[in-house]
Amino acid sequence: DVKVTQSSRYLVKRTGEKVFLECVQDMDHENMFWYRQDPGLGLRLIYFSYDVKMKEKGDIPEGYSVSREKKERFSLILESASTNQTSMYLCASSQYRDRVYNEQFFGPGTRLTVL
Amino acid sequence: GQNIDQPTEMTATEGAIVQINCTYQTSGFNGLFWYQQHAGEAPTFLSYNVLDGLEEKGRFSSFLSRSKGYSYLLLKELQMKDSASYLCAGGLNFNKFYFGSGTKLNVKP
Repeated sequence: DVKVTQSSRYLVKRTGEKVFLECVQDMDHENMFWYRQDPGLGLRLIYFSYDVKMKEKGDIPEGYSVSREKKERFSLILESASTNQTSMYLCASSQYRDRVYNEQFFGPGTRLTVL
Repeated sequence: GQNIDQPTEMTATEGAIVQINCTYQTSGFNGLFWYQQHAGEAPTFLSYNVLDGLEEKGRFSSFLSRSKGYSYLLLKELQMKDSASYLCAGGLNFNKFYFGSGTKLNVKP
């Protein structure tokens, strides 16, 4: 089974802190994604990566950055956390095959609260 | 844009059939996915459609009409464990998905 793990299930940080959310997948997937999920807004794509050191902005990249130094690991960074970044953060991964859709596998999520 | 619309909440009875609709307004999507998400858990893949028509997978079926920008998920023989949110997602460029806000399904005895 594909396994996507996230470093924390719950996290509480203060405004202005630098926050790192880590995601690791064990299926050698090329694609990795970071979403945030808010009530009434669904999942919104923050960033995705289709290869090591490659990244592409999603719909809401402002206030976030990412790092992908190894294929299995994709990190989301909040440079200076703000209260409007309180949310559920979900990581996902998928295989890449040219012109073929591949399902995304999700991690359990990190519920981040910024005070 | 990539607007994806689903009803916010639905209620159905155990043993019944329920249809969850999803409409979208984009010409760029070339696949339509359905995910199930139980409260507090990660979304899990249910089905996808690339071509028009019905795809059946046990108690779950999904339908797509690309010309109408319309899909639905059909759940038969509802069970209490089917109480969850159902997320519709449009696929773009074979890698990126755009998700709707989800439909919360309540199954009652």
